[in-house]
Amino acid sequence: AQTVTQSQPEMSVQEAETVTLSCTYDTSESDYYLFWYKQPPSRQMILVIRQEAYKQQNATENRFSVNFQKAAKSFSLKISDSQLGDAAMYFCAYRSRMDSSYKLIFGSGTRLLVRP
Amino acid sequence: DGGITQSPKYLFRKEGQNVTLSCEQNLNHDAMYWYRQDPGQGLRLIYYSQIVNDFQKGDIAEGYSVSREKKESFPLTVTSAQKNPTAFYLCASSIGSRWDTQYFGPGTRLTVL
Repeated sequence: AQTVTQSQPEMSVQEAETVTLSCTYDTSESDYYLFWYKQPPSRQMILVIRQEAYKQQNATENRFSVNFQKAAKSFSLKISDSQLGDAAMYFCAYRSRMDSSYKLIFGSGTRLLVRP
Repeated sequence: DGGITQSPKYLFRKEGQNVTLSCEQNLNHDAMYWYRQDPGQGLRLIYYSQIVNDFQKGDIAEGYSVSREKKESFPLTVTSAQKNPTAFYLCASSIGSRWDTQYFGPGTRLTVL
């Protein structure tokens, strides 16, 4: 069974600086998808960025980018120019291409604090 | 505006009662999902449906039931058989392909009194 691990329960960053959130996963599959979701205090899950495993190029979305290391099974999220609105829980998630449920497997999350 | 709505936002249940959480989407998505979130944990899949009148159990389906009579609606019933129902419940939907993204509703907080 696949698992997702986020080893940093909480991270802190100064406004305007850069922070990296870590995620590792375990799978025997070669083709899958990886996601980062943000959960602000409102608790609604918001998609931040996604990565297809067959793509070598790291995904980027404005200030958010990932470092996808397939061999190491690592998928970290980098937030540049951090803003107060980035403060939230961040969840890494995995989805198999083989599983017919299309379900997401989530890590336990990292709470990001942004210092003004 | 297209989106996913969940109601109520907060729900209180007495021991032994069944309660139903509502999830509606107007995104014309085929697939819908129910996840449960407990403190300090990620989301876990309860049930999913990829087409009307069909649904499948997820990883933690015991004590829950669902129906999918309409494409737009996927209500979740938390039965008295669910031993620890206090949690945050999130509904999601997607187009229903292996390549798509799941979009989430705002969630329902269920508390057992």
